[in-house]
Amino acid sequence: EVQLVESGGGLVQPGRSLRLSCTASGFTFGDYAMSWVRQAPGKGLEWIGFIRSKAYGGTTEYAASVKGRFTISRDDSKSIAYLQMNSLKTEDTAVYYCTSVDYWGQGTLVTVSS
Amino acid sequence: DIVMTQTPLSLSVTPGQPASISCKSSQSLLHSDGKTYLYWYLQKPGQPPQLLIYEVSNRFSGVPDRFSGSGSGTDFTLKISRVEAEDVGVYYCMQSIQLPKTFGQGTKLEIK
Repeated sequence: EVQLVESGGGLVQPGRSLRLSCTASGFTFGDYAMSWVRQAPGKGLEWIGFIRSKAYGGTTEYAASVKGRFTISRDDSKSIAYLQMNSLKTEDTAVYYCTSVDYWGQGTLVTVSS
Repeated sequence: DIVMTQTPLSLSVTPGQPASISCKSSQSLLHSDGKTYLYWYLQKPGQPPQLLIYEVSNRFSGVPDRFSGSGSGTDFTLKISRVEAEDVGVYYCMQSIQLPKTFGQGTKLEIK
């Protein structure tokens, strides 16, 4: 069974940092690109970035709203994708999902507030 | 960025009746590889999105055959042949031909 489990969310002050993890199981993690998508309270879905598989260079792409502040990485030996979020803003408050396109995790809530 | 526009934004359907959601993209989603990168997701209340349809018309594993997708270029449709109570939630289309990947605003399906 495919599972994606996000962790690391919580309450953080504006300007601070947070790192989210996405632990995968049930499939060959290294073969897949992994995306992060967020959903602000009561709003729709926003793609924020992804990391390609090593076979495609392991490179990353980001939405303009987070470029330069957020960094996606992966550890294929542990089947984990990471989302490092720096210089957080109140508008980054959202549930953050990791997804392989086919499958989604349950999400982790990040609240940016003083 | 490619803009995805869904209509209607809300839908109230009697169980057993059909439902249809339209998704229009601001640019063609047909890739040079011959595939069209349009996906449909359902987000049930309190849950993450789940994939229903990929590449316009392919049902994902386990998706009931009452769900079907069609369209080409910039115009796409998700149809539910006979709505059931478990189909409530918000439906999103998404394109992945161009970065950033973008979603439609969502269509909320309710049961009458």
